[in-house]
Amino acid sequence: GNSVTQMEGPVTLSEEAFLTINCTYTATGYPSLFWYVQYPGEGLQLLLKATKADDKGSNKGFEATYRKETTSFHLEKGSVQVSDSAVYFCARGREGGATNKLIFGTGTLLAVQP
Amino acid sequence: GAGVSQSPRYKVAKRGQDVALRCDPISGHVSLFWYQQALGQGPEFLTYFQNEAQLDKSGLPSDRFFAERPEGSVSTLKIQRTQQEDSAVYLCASGLQGLYEQYFGPGTRLTVT
Repeated sequence: GNSVTQMEGPVTLSEEAFLTINCTYTATGYPSLFWYVQYPGEGLQLLLKATKADDKGSNKGFEATYRKETTSFHLEKGSVQVSDSAVYFCARGREGGATNKLIFGTGTLLAVQP
Repeated sequence: GAGVSQSPRYKVAKRGQDVALRCDPISGHVSLFWYQQALGQGPEFLTYFQNEAQLDKSGLPSDRFFAERPEGSVSTLKIQRTQQEDSAVYLCASGLQGLYEQYFGPGTRLTVT
């Protein structure tokens, strides 16, 4: 079926470490892909997106590249900060149809220690 | 500008009670979505409105769940005869028509005892 799979957490890193959170998707076509972030006590916020193959989304030092060959959209950051501690959700849009609903992964908790 | 707001933020209901959850989308946003997020899981789609029209309700888990958006702005998600498995955070999101970007509210945490 159509789904999103992301690596399980929690991911615990020291400040300034390199971050990768893996995300893969299944789809019959090329849906838009997203990373959302949920900081403690706050609602989901769009972090970055990519709407077609080979696009790179970037924001706040985070990057993710739409790889159709591997059906992946891994999230990376070169140097994490304590303030990046949050839950990160990978999501894909629905192909076709009238509903632009999002299909989310289960989320990955990132804890960055000083 | 104001974001998406939801009320109440927390709701405790006894099993069998009816509840109503409110969503105020961003002004001018045509699209409105409801999602259900169980503990430790990602949000799951419930239903979608374009203005006042409910175009997709395929994610509603049972006929106890009902959503409306009568004037194309505020939306209410109603759950009748609540069950323990309805305990979750209910998220509302709004967006501009034709774009995938959705803006989420803080959610309503429903606990059914």
